[in-house]
Amino acid sequence: QVQLQESGPGLVKPSQTLSLTCAVSGDSIRDTSYYWSWVRQPAGKGLEWIGHVYRTGVTTYNASLKSRVTITVDTSNNQFSLKLNSVTAADTAVYYCARGGTVLTPWGQGVLVTVSS
Amino acid sequence: DIQMTQSPSTLSASVGDRLTITCRASQTISNWLAWYQQKPGNAPKLLIYKASNLQSGVPSRFSGSGSGTEFTLTISGLQPDDFATYYCQHYDSSSPLTFGGGTKVDMK
Repeated sequence: QVQLQESGPGLVKPSQTLSLTCAVSGDSIRDTSYYWSWVRQPAGKGLEWIGHVYRTGVTTYNASLKSRVTITVDTSNNQFSLKLNSVTAADTAVYYCARGGTVLTPWGQGVLVTVSS
Repeated sequence: DIQMTQSPSTLSASVGDRLTITCRASQTISNWLAWYQQKPGNAPKLLIYKASNLQSGVPSRFSGSGSGTEFTLTISGLQPDDFATYYCQHYDSSSPLTFGGGTKVDMK
């Protein structure tokens, strides 16, 4: 059974960099042909796709965030990561990682990241 | 980018009801559409992919239909576990993923 688990600081100061990691178990990033995605959801609002990464390191990003986002993959540790720089309060959200670059399943449980001084 | 519009935004229903949620795309997307269910405090869960294909383990009371620009998610015989928010999502290999705004199904 594939499981994903997000981790990272729950509080980030404005203008700093948000950094999250998604650990994958039950599947090997190196050995499968899946993409691996990040999605976020502000409180009480809808879902926004951030981007995805392939095992080779190839990435695709949401154009609205592209200038601030970096997604990387670490096949040795079977995980992938998200960095979002120059954050503001508008980046406060629950951040999810998920398997897939088109249809997303399964998802991690999500981690709340608050941007505040 | 392709925009996805769901309606209604809220739907009040009772156990046993048959519900239909609509999702419209701003341009034709063939059948590259998925539906997700999200309960409060939980991650979204895939229900339907490629417009009408039921994800493994999802009850058969859920069904999807449509192609082009108009799609529907139908729940035939609403169960207590089905009160949740539902999202449609467009996907293909050459466009960013885009979600609809969501439809909250609550108790009448």
